[in-house]
Amino acid sequence: EIVLTQSPATLSLSPGERATLSCRASQSVSAYLAWYQQKPGQAPRLLISDASNRATGIPARFSGSGSGTDFTLTISSLEPEDFAIYYCQQRFTWPLTFGGGTKVEIK
Amino acid sequence: EVQLLESGGGLVQPGGSLRLSCAASGFTFSSYGMTWVRQAPGKGLEWVSIISGSGTNTHYADSVKGRFTISRDASKNTMYLQMNSLRVEDTAIYYCAKGGSDWGSFWFDPWGLGTLVTVSS
Repeated sequence: EIVLTQSPATLSLSPGERATLSCRASQSVSAYLAWYQQKPGQAPRLLISDASNRATGIPARFSGSGSGTDFTLTISSLEPEDFAIYYCQQRFTWPLTFGGGTKVEIK
Repeated sequence: EVQLLESGGGLVQPGGSLRLSCAASGFTFSSYGMTWVRQAPGKGLEWVSIISGSGTNTHYADSVKGRFTISRDASKNTMYLQMNSLRVEDTAIYYCAKGGSDWGSFWFDPWGLGTLVTVSS
């Protein structure tokens, strides 16, 4: 099973600041990595697929990069609605796995 | 607009069974794989199972293999998760989600609102 380790567990930032979230895989997943956003009481929403492809309707301030074992989700300038938990997910092999999440909170 | 609506959750005793349903609308149901993902209270996401658009391909997490069965009914635009031999650790919100294609595009969007399964004596 591929283990995805997300860091940091919590990121405390102010609106307007840049957020950099990391996801590290226990073995290479090529570019088969996605990012999701989950707000309290809501279902997750797909942000990024295949490491860097923004999903439909996702603002340009969200960007993904990386390949192999190291991936990054960047939010260029935090909006109030961006404070949430972010998860990465790999589809390289079975079982599909998610990272433990990074909570982006208001400082 | 794509909509997914889960139902069937509830309180069940350890060792019991439940069948979850996910009613889909707004897209050609048989053309897309579908998945179940669960989230224990206050915890992260755990992938459970997936089924192809045709229903011929399925996969399960090791934690549910042999106890859960995924299926779908194209005539009803509905996916199911039959859960048997339930354990306390199966307690979670169960979400259904739509895949990006019949099979292979294992990214999920959108997701339903979820249904809560509580396993307790």
